[in-house]
Amino acid sequence: DAGITQSPRHKVTETGTPVTLRCHQTENHRYMYWYRQDPGHGLRLIHYSYGVKDTDKGEVSDGYSVSRSKTEDFLLTLESATSSQTSVYFCAISESGQYNSPLHFGNGTRLTVT
Amino acid sequence: AQKVTQAQTEISVVEKEDVTLDCVYETRDTTYYLFWYKQPPSGELVFLIRRNSFDEQNEISGRYSWNFQKSTSSFNFTITASQVVDSAVYFCALSEARAAGNKLTFGGGTRVLVKP
Repeated sequence: DAGITQSPRHKVTETGTPVTLRCHQTENHRYMYWYRQDPGHGLRLIHYSYGVKDTDKGEVSDGYSVSRSKTEDFLLTLESATSSQTSVYFCAISESGQYNSPLHFGNGTRLTVT
Repeated sequence: AQKVTQAQTEISVVEKEDVTLDCVYETRDTTYYLFWYKQPPSGELVFLIRRNSFDEQNEISGRYSWNFQKSTSSFNFTITASQVVDSAVYFCALSEARAAGNKLTFGGGTRVLVKP
């Protein structure tokens, strides 16, 4: 299994509070991704990173920010959580940014915003 | 823009039946890869197979096989002689060569329930 750890695994928070999810990898892969999974939508890309301090937006980036200060850590922050951000969040890594390289996923973080 | 559609939301079969999952994609790129992932009830996402846009040869790997047809933009996945452990949500995904960063676009998923 790819060495990807997401924390926390579950979180309940209130609307308007900031939330940070952490993804830690031990594979030394350059590319890291944050996806959210919602029923009927599959997985949708929030943000991704192609190196330390190098990040870019995905399909559903509004309301989210990311940071990558070390190769192994990729943080996802909800500045002011809303109920529409209740979801399961998956971190993924890729050895290269090549289109033929499969992504390997962490076990997910279930976030509930009340 | 790229798009992946899995029209079947849920399929229920009895053990040992074959199951075929449909996947239709849209892309303007001529060079791309297609993937299938499995998400068992435990929740993790597991990479199963991938196929590049230049290779339409169908393949079999154990009980899994896939049928890639560029003419119809389809990449169907079949589980032969299904088992209870095959119960999961299956996702089809697309990665385009021209899109920087290997960003996968996923379909909505098909839930497969295999009954004993």
